Amino acid sequence: DIQMTQSPSSLSASVGDRVTITCRASQIMSYFLNWYQQKPGKAPNLLIYATSTLQSGVPSRFSGSGSGADFTLTISSVQPEDSATYYCQQTHSTAHSFGQGTKLEI
Amino acid sequence: EVQVVESGGGLVQPGGSLRLSCAVSGFTFRNYWMTWVRQAPGKGLEWVASIKQDGSEKSSVDSVKGRFTISRDNAENSLYLQMSSLRAEDTAVYYCARVTYTGTHQLDCWGQGTLVTVSS
Repeated sequence: DIQMTQSPSSLSASVGDRVTITCRASQIMSYFLNWYQQKPGKAPNLLIYATSTLQSGVPSRFSGSGSGADFTLTISSVQPEDSATYYCQQTHSTAHSFGQGTKLEI
Repeated sequence: EVQVVESGGGLVQPGGSLRLSCAVSGFTFRNYWMTWVRQAPGKGLEWVASIKQDGSEKSSVDSVKGRFTISRDNAENSLYLQMSSLRAEDTAVYYCARVTYTGTHQLDCWGQGTLVTVSS
């Protein structure tokens, strides 16, 4: 099974900062990498799929990139409502594992 | 409007069984893979199991193999998770999610979750 490791585990940012979260897979994979945002007490929400495709309705300040085993989620100008936990998920293997999450505080 | 609604959670003793249900509306259920994802209190997301549109393919995380069974009823627009031999570490909010395939799989519609607590 593919293990996903996110870094950092948590970070603090100010409004307007550029924020980058990384996700490393335990093996080389294709572009089968998704990003989700989860706010406390709520279900996760799909932000980006296939490494870099923005889900409909997601603000354009969110972007994704990467290849091989290393992927990143970038928020170009963080807003107060972006305070949440972010998860990557691989769908390269049959077991669609998640990273451990990155908590972003604004 | 797409809706995904889980039910069936509750308190169960270790070694017990429970069946979760997920009722969907607003989309053609039989056209989509479906997935269960869980989240232990204060912890991250864990993929549990997925099932193909016609139920012919299923997969699950190693920790639940032989104990949990995912199934679906396309006529009833419903997804199920039969859980047996439950352990304390199965305590979590269980989410049902739709899988959309566009060359890759992504979970684009989620329910609000149902809490399963395994405790004596």
